[in-house]
Amino acid sequence: DAGVTQSPTHLIKTRGQQVTLRCSPKSGHDTVSWYQQALGQGPQFIFQYYEEEERQRGNFPDRFSGHQFPNYSSELNVNALLLGDSALYLCASSFLGGELFFGEGSRLTVL
Amino acid sequence: AQSVTQPDIHITVSEGASLELRCNYSYGATPYLFWYVQSPGQGLQLLLKYFSGDTLVQGIKGFEAEFKRSQSSFNLRKPSVHWSDAAEYFCAVGASFQAGTALIFGKGTTLSVSS
Repeated sequence: DAGVTQSPTHLIKTRGQQVTLRCSPKSGHDTVSWYQQALGQGPQFIFQYYEEEERQRGNFPDRFSGHQFPNYSSELNVNALLLGDSALYLCASSFLGGELFFGEGSRLTVL
Repeated sequence: AQSVTQPDIHITVSEGASLELRCNYSYGATPYLFWYVQSPGQGLQLLLKYFSGDTLVQGIKGFEAEFKRSQSSFNLRKPSVHWSDAAEYFCAVGASFQAGTALIFGKGTTLSVSS
């Protein structure tokens, strides 16, 4: 049984560009959350998707958007990239309030 | 404001020695508390959680944590550390355990294990 899978694992972008990160939840899970983990910091909650809708959002600008597909997979989009967006982006999935299972993350570097 | 403080950025313990990682939280409601571990190149793994009841909770890999409401603390302990325990440890607090809760994480404590 595959756990939470994220792609790509690493990517490099330049300021002003846009990026899309992808997440496939653990089998049987229907809820996907996204977190940003800057170097030396703990993860910060970006938003959560359930039933293809954004259910909860953290303190992140509108440049950060997401989507959940009918198969429960999810995308995180970041527009107009800033240097400060460089971070490890973690996806976590869960089912009906159960334990969060985290993926290994997508490491984004903005130059 | 809701927050989690992990006072120790980096701790080194000898293999076989005991371990205690500190966590203090500030939360307006009844907190749901978690400890996660992150090894290099890996995602976060849940070690243990506390919602209510017995204030001493047992987790995986021989870890335990004690909830002290009066001190707003949720310290993680292990009686005998193994070299494989070297990793980053995060304490987190949430409003509930329902799908939809956003966890607030501390900045983490890096654990090194010396032989």
